[in-house]
Amino acid sequence: QKEVEQDPGPLSVPEGAIVSLNCTYSNSAFQYFMWYRQYSRKGPELLMYTYSSGNKEDGRFTAQVDKSSKYISLFIRDSQPSDSATYLCAMSEQGGGSNYKLTFGKGTLLTVNP
Amino acid sequence: GAGVSQSPSNKVTEKGKDVELRCDPISGHTALYWYRQRLGQGLEFLIYFQGNSAPDKSGLPSDRFSAERTGESVSTLTIQRTQQEDSAVYLCASSRRRNTGELFFGEGSRLTVL
Repeated sequence: QKEVEQDPGPLSVPEGAIVSLNCTYSNSAFQYFMWYRQYSRKGPELLMYTYSSGNKEDGRFTAQVDKSSKYISLFIRDSQPSDSATYLCAMSEQGGGSNYKLTFGKGTLLTVNP
Repeated sequence: GAGVSQSPSNKVTEKGKDVELRCDPISGHTALYWYRQRLGQGLEFLIYFQGNSAPDKSGLPSDRFSAERTGESVSTLTIQRTQQEDSAVYLCASSRRRNTGELFFGEGSRLTVL
């Protein structure tokens, strides 16, 4: 079992839809959880960053972390064609010298159709 | 510069040749990371530099891979005797602080080994 599992998709939705992206993980030491967005032939850019369990909202984006289930989600409301990209979940351990070493999911390719 | 700069953006080489990839991080960022992204795979951690501390080389896949960093500036990733399985996008990232997941990525160097 890989440390981080993410459905690669592809996921295709109409403009305005609510999108749900998910990752599961096996390492209970993960404490920091991130979502990166990667446009084609570009480097990933940080979208959301959360620490431990709970929700975080930023505009149309909401990140949820459920540590008891080892499950994280990213919700995109009122999706736009400009949201079309690959979404990568990433996580790292708390404290010490290792929490900079991000473990990434494979990414989910999302297309939002006008 | 405004962002992380990587060169070359594309490199095609023959099996057995050596290649050198360059990364120029964001000014003032003390931490620098190299990741590899193979087709259909998540980002794989390769190496981490933080200031003048000894680098964390635990992600380097073989002794054909090496990396150097001059102070808190430019880094080079060298792959000797390239193999076809080395074909990937090599991404460099930098960050201000060690203990967050807020990495700023370059656009990557796309390596193709024939």
